[in-house]
Amino acid sequence: AQKVTQAQTEISVVEKEDVTLDCVYETRDTTYYLFWYKQPPSGELVFLIRRNSFDEQNEISGRYSWNFQKSTSSFNFTITASQVVDSAVYFCALRRTNTGFQKLVFGTGTRLLVSP
Amino acid sequence: DGGITQSPKYLFRKEGQNVTLSCEQNLNHDAMYWYRQDPGQGLRLIYYSQIVNDFQKGDIAEGYSVSREKKESFPLTVTSAQKNPTAFYLCASIPRGGTGYGYTFGSGTRLTVV
Repeated sequence: AQKVTQAQTEISVVEKEDVTLDCVYETRDTTYYLFWYKQPPSGELVFLIRRNSFDEQNEISGRYSWNFQKSTSSFNFTITASQVVDSAVYFCALRRTNTGFQKLVFGTGTRLLVSP
Repeated sequence: DGGITQSPKYLFRKEGQNVTLSCEQNLNHDAMYWYRQDPGQGLRLIYYSQIVNDFQKGDIAEGYSVSREKKESFPLTVTSAQKNPTAFYLCASIPRGGTGYGYTFGSGTRLTVV
């Protein structure tokens, strides 16, 4: 069975602080995709990144960076110099690659509150 | 601009009443999905459809029904058999074969039982 765990229910930081959101996953598949989504107060989920299981390179996009470690089954997300607009719920998700049906398994989400 | 439109944004249901949530996409995507979001539980899959006139149950299909008569539309009916329907409902879509960008989501419908 597949499972995604986001142990941090809520994180509060002050603007300009760095913050890391943890994601640990479980799967028996050798190939899979990992995702991060942002859910602002408006409710819509916004895609942030997809990572293939065979690509363990870390990625940086502006203030966002992702650390994928297959050895520890983790795919952590770091926001550098956080801003108030980063306040949202962030979801980590996992998807198998060896089926025609592309079901996403979501973690329970981490609510990030960035105060001025 | 292409996207997914969900309506209404807020919906109130009386006990024993069926209600239908609308999901329309103009992205020409083949596959469409319905997810339910509850506080502290993440998103759970209700139904999905990979092609017109075909749909499959997800993990929590009991008390829900769907149809897929048009590629653009995937309405979800919450029936009276769903005992705890109060939740946030999200519709999503993806092209056949997928893309590198994951699902496209709508902005959701918040359903409350009164």
